[in-house]
Amino acid sequence: DAGITQSPRYKITETGRQVTLMCHQTWSHSYMFWYRQDLGHGLRLIYYSAAADITDKGEVPDGYVVSRSKTENFPLTLESATRSQTSVYFCASSEDRGATDTQYFGPGTRLTVL
Amino acid sequence: DQQVKQNSPSLSVQEGRISILNCDYTNSMFDYFLWYKKYPAEGPTFLISISSIKDKNEDGRFTVFLNKSAKHLSLHIVPSQPGDSAVYFCAATGDNFNKFYFGSGTKLNVKP
Repeated sequence: DAGITQSPRYKITETGRQVTLMCHQTWSHSYMFWYRQDLGHGLRLIYYSAAADITDKGEVPDGYVVSRSKTENFPLTLESATRSQTSVYFCASSEDRGATDTQYFGPGTRLTVL
Repeated sequence: DQQVKQNSPSLSVQEGRISILNCDYTNSMFDYFLWYKKYPAEGPTFLISISSIKDKNEDGRFTVFLNKSAKHLSLHIVPSQPGDSAVYFCAATGDNFNKFYFGSGTKLNVKP
């Protein structure tokens, strides 16, 4: 299916465990983004990528690691999950310039850290 | 410190009436603004945008107004429909930025 997908949709894990959230897009968009949504904060940018092998920090990068070996995939890893990382995570992609192009969002992953 | 603020967490409107959602920003370097709509269990979807060279942009029932001097934008939905019930996020960015800054969202409830 064309579009942007995230997996898993729901994940429960324990404090200290490593978790990887997957994001895949079929448009060959250059830019990809990871956001977290928390009550009272809206969407906050964790990391973004302008192209394969190019990533940069957003507003709240601590505790997260990203990679982008292929244009279509942008996994987000929580190396040692903490309760404060309980959130809904959204992946997004956009065409060339990123800044003013419309972002297309995936359906989200609801992560609970116990 | 949030650079984009939506001070109303919720809004309730009767079907057929106007819905007005507000957004304020602090960074004068922002020159492009967007509104996204989000239904439960789905990702946000783009609704409408406006460049700082304009003060109004209209798309069907949706109109966005930009007041640069006040650093304020608003989204008007006329007439409101029950299917418009969702969370609305405003976002800001510009040529000097590689990313968007989102507000905290306003939950709109349109009552039949």
